[in-house]
Amino acid sequence: QKEVEQDPGPLSVPEGAIVSLNCTYSNSAFQYFMWYRQYSRKGPELLMYTYSSGNKEDGRFTAQVDKSSKYISLFIRDSQPSDSATYLCAMMDSSYKLIFGSGTRLLVRP
Amino acid sequence: DAGVIQSPRHEVTEMGQEVTLRCKPISGHDYLFWYRQTMMRGLELLIYFNNNVPIDDSGMPEDRFSAKMPNASFSTLKIQPSEPRDSAVYFCASSLGVAGLDTGELFFGEGSRLTVL
Repeated sequence: QKEVEQDPGPLSVPEGAIVSLNCTYSNSAFQYFMWYRQYSRKGPELLMYTYSSGNKEDGRFTAQVDKSSKYISLFIRDSQPSDSATYLCAMMDSSYKLIFGSGTRLLVRP
Repeated sequence: DAGVIQSPRHEVTEMGQEVTLRCKPISGHDYLFWYRQTMMRGLELLIYFNNNVPIDDSGMPEDRFSAKMPNASFSTLKIQPSEPRDSAVYFCASSLGVAGLDTGELFFGEGSRLTVL
């Protein structure tokens, strides 16, 4: 079993929809949780970061962490075609090794 | 700043040949990471350096892979001999200090797409 599990998609939604992306993990030592966005043929870029359980909001994006269930989510409100990309969850323990999920490909249709 | 610079962007080679991938991190960043991305395995950490010193190379798949960082502005990942299963996109990333790591703020290059025939 992988340390971090993520549905590869693709997930196709109409413009304006609310998008929910999720990851589960098995290592309870993970302390830091991130979401990266990767456009086609580009490197990943950090989108959201959170440390504790709960919600963190940044504009149209909300990151949610539930450590008791080992489950993290990213919500995108009012999705735009420019949000079409692959979204990778990432987690880090105290050794600073960043472990990525395999990524979910999102397509927002105009 | 120009960001993390990787070369070559694309490399096609034949099995058995030596491949060298290059990376220039963002100036001032003291952590450098090499990742490999494939459809099957996603993004995997191969090795990372702190202040030019290799800290963890447990992700390096086998002895055919080696990485060096002779100075703060340059790193190489070498595969010798290359095999078709090494075909992947190889990313270099850099980060500034422990605080950067705490926030997971790694800055990635655009990757080197390797095809081994």
